[in-house]
Amino acid sequence: DAGVTQSPTHLIKTRGQHVTLRCSPISGHKSVSWYQQVLGQGPQFIFQYYEKEERGRGNFPDRFSARQFPNYSSELNVNALLLGDSALYLCASRPGQRTEAFFGQGTRLTVV
Amino acid sequence: AQRVTQPEKLLSVFKGAPVELKCNYSYSGSPELFWYVQYSRQRLQLLLRHISRESIKGFTADLNKGETSFHLKKPFAQEEDSAMYYCALSGGSASKIIFGSGTRLSIRP
Repeated sequence: DAGVTQSPTHLIKTRGQHVTLRCSPISGHKSVSWYQQVLGQGPQFIFQYYEKEERGRGNFPDRFSARQFPNYSSELNVNALLLGDSALYLCASRPGQRTEAFFGQGTRLTVV
Repeated sequence: AQRVTQPEKLLSVFKGAPVELKCNYSYSGSPELFWYVQYSRQRLQLLLRHISRESIKGFTADLNKGETSFHLKKPFAQEEDSAMYYCALSGGSASKIIFGSGTRLSIRP
């Protein structure tokens, strides 16, 4: 079992650009969540998707959006990147809504 | 407000000494409490959850609703326990997980 996989592992973008991060959940897991982890802080909840529907949204601006595909993989999109968006973005999958969360290795986004 | 507080950014103890990582939470309702751990160059993983009442790798955590605390304890620290530890809670229909800022545990030989 490969676990939760995220791509790319590292990314450098310029302010104002757009970025798409990808996540493949563990096989059979229908719930995917996204978290932002800024250096020195714990992960902050961005979105949760379950059965391809948004089930929760954290306190992030509308520049952040996500979707879940029929195969339960997910994309996180961020528009109009700001320097403050530089962070580690984590994806977590769960078999159900209230079960243990399994995390990916994350995508390190640097905005310059 | 929903919040998890870990007052110590860094905790350094000698091998064989007892360990206690503090965690306090604020939540209106009955949350589920967790401890997650991140070893060097590894992904974030669940260490234990309060509903299972298990002891994992010698660690235990008791939920104290009166003090709204969920401190993580181990009687005798091992060098392999050195890692970043996050206390977290989950509740409500969205099932989002709210994390504390983390405590780095360093075990000295």
